[in-house]
Amino acid sequence: DADVTQTPRNRITKTGKRIMLECSQTKGHDRMYWYRQDPGLGLQLIYYSFDVKDINKGEISDGYSVSRQAQAKFSLSLESAIPNQTALYFCATSDSRTGPQETQYFGPGTRLLVL
Amino acid sequence: GENVEQHPSTLSVQEGDSAVIKCTYSDSASNYFPWYKQELGKGPQLIIDIRSNVGEKKDQRIAVTLNKTAKHFSLHITETQPEDSAVYFCAAPSGTASKLTFGTGTRLQVTL
Repeated sequence: DADVTQTPRNRITKTGKRIMLECSQTKGHDRMYWYRQDPGLGLQLIYYSFDVKDINKGEISDGYSVSRQAQAKFSLSLESAIPNQTALYFCATSDSRTGPQETQYFGPGTRLLVL
Repeated sequence: GENVEQHPSTLSVQEGDSAVIKCTYSDSASNYFPWYKQELGKGPQLIIDIRSNVGEKKDQRIAVTLNKTAKHFSLHITETQPEDSAVYFCAAPSGTASKLTFGTGTRLQVTL
C-alpha cells in the first residue's frame, strides 16, 4: 500500500553493525506494527505501538528496539545485527476507530541481509 | 496465546480449478479471522475476513468458511486465474483483536 512506506527497501550490513529501518504512513492510523517474515514461518510480530507513547513487545523482540517518533513514524533498530536477523521486515498500520477488528495495512517490506 | 496452523504450505492447481487452504486456531475466544494475500515483492493485503457470528462469507470467486466447534476456517478460491498466484496467510486475534497471529502461509501457483 503506497500509504505505508518503508526505507530502505534493501539493506546489506555486517555482523555487529547497528541499523535502523524506518516506516512512515499517511493513512492517519494510530496503531503501527513491525513484523518479520522468514520462509516457512509466516509473519512474526516484533513490536507494536497503539499510540505515540505506547510501545509493546511482540513474539520475537529480543535483539530489536523501536521508536515511535510521531503518530506517522515507527522505526525498528537492530542494535548489533547478527546473521539470523536476515529476513524480510514489514511495517503495518491499523485504525483503532474502525475496531475492534480493524484491518492491518502493510508496507512493501525491507529485505535485510546480515553478513 | 493464539496458535494458528495452516495447510498446505504449497498448492498447485490448473487454471479454472478450485483451491482450498485450511487453518486451525487454538483460542476458542477468537472471533475474527482475516485472510491476507501477498504478491511477489509486495506486502500482504487483506482479501476477505469472517467474524464468528457467521459460518460463511463470499466475495466473488473467494469464500471463507468457519467452523467454531472444530476451531478451523478455510479459504476457497473458485475458477482460479494466474493472478491468484501468491502466498496466502490466515490469521486469528492474539489477545486484543489488533494483534494478529498469522499462519505460516500457503504458496498457491495457478498453472495454465
